[in-house]
Amino acid sequence: GAGVSQTPSNKVTEKGKYVELRCDPISGHTALYWYRQSLGQGPEFLIYFQGTGAADDSGLPNDRFFAVRPEGSVSTLKIQRTERGDSAVYLCASSLGPTSANEQFFGPGTRLTVL
Amino acid sequence: AQSVTQPDIHITVSEGASLELRCNYSYGATPYLFWYVQSPGQGLQLLLKYFSGDTLVQGIKGFEAEFKRSQSSFNLRKPSVHWSDAAEYFCAVGFNQGGKLIFGQGTELSVKP
Repeated sequence: GAGVSQTPSNKVTEKGKYVELRCDPISGHTALYWYRQSLGQGPEFLIYFQGTGAADDSGLPNDRFFAVRPEGSVSTLKIQRTERGDSAVYLCASSLGPTSANEQFFGPGTRLTVL
Repeated sequence: AQSVTQPDIHITVSEGASLELRCNYSYGATPYLFWYVQSPGQGLQLLLKYFSGDTLVQGIKGFEAEFKRSQSSFNLRKPSVHWSDAAEYFCAVGFNQGGKLIFGQGTELSVKP
């Protein structure tokens, strides 16, 4: 079956622009996670959804970052007024349920470059 | 605050040699523990996980890990490394509520022929 997909695979933008990153989770997975991986670092948690609601957004670095999952499936991570420090690989993962007992399946990521 | 430490940033081993990658965590209780592998251009893949019970867990690709509560460690091992094992390895902790994972900074494994 299909895994987690993310689009675009690469995004280059200019400082100050707005970007949207999309995640399509595995069908039937109710939990969806966003992580950010900077060069040479491990993934860093941003936000997770259970269904349509953001159950934990404690990892969002500031109010320029926002994510939605309006129908409980596809999610979009939105970044306003991008800064060079936002350059990273943004990873999405999904799982059957909202506990660590459920394996998270990761997508290939979107590499964001802010010039 | 919860944290995960992987003290070795880069390790090189010869093909056929044994491997041990170190992981230490900081958390008040026993967390859920994971090892993931990330190959260039590939997504993160789960190698193995520990929730409770037997402290030696077996994973895919011939990997195993041992949970040691007294040392707050969860080291990954493989008796004989193959060239295809060259990749980045991440240790992570998770929690019963919420499911978010906290990752270490990773250990890059190189394999010499």
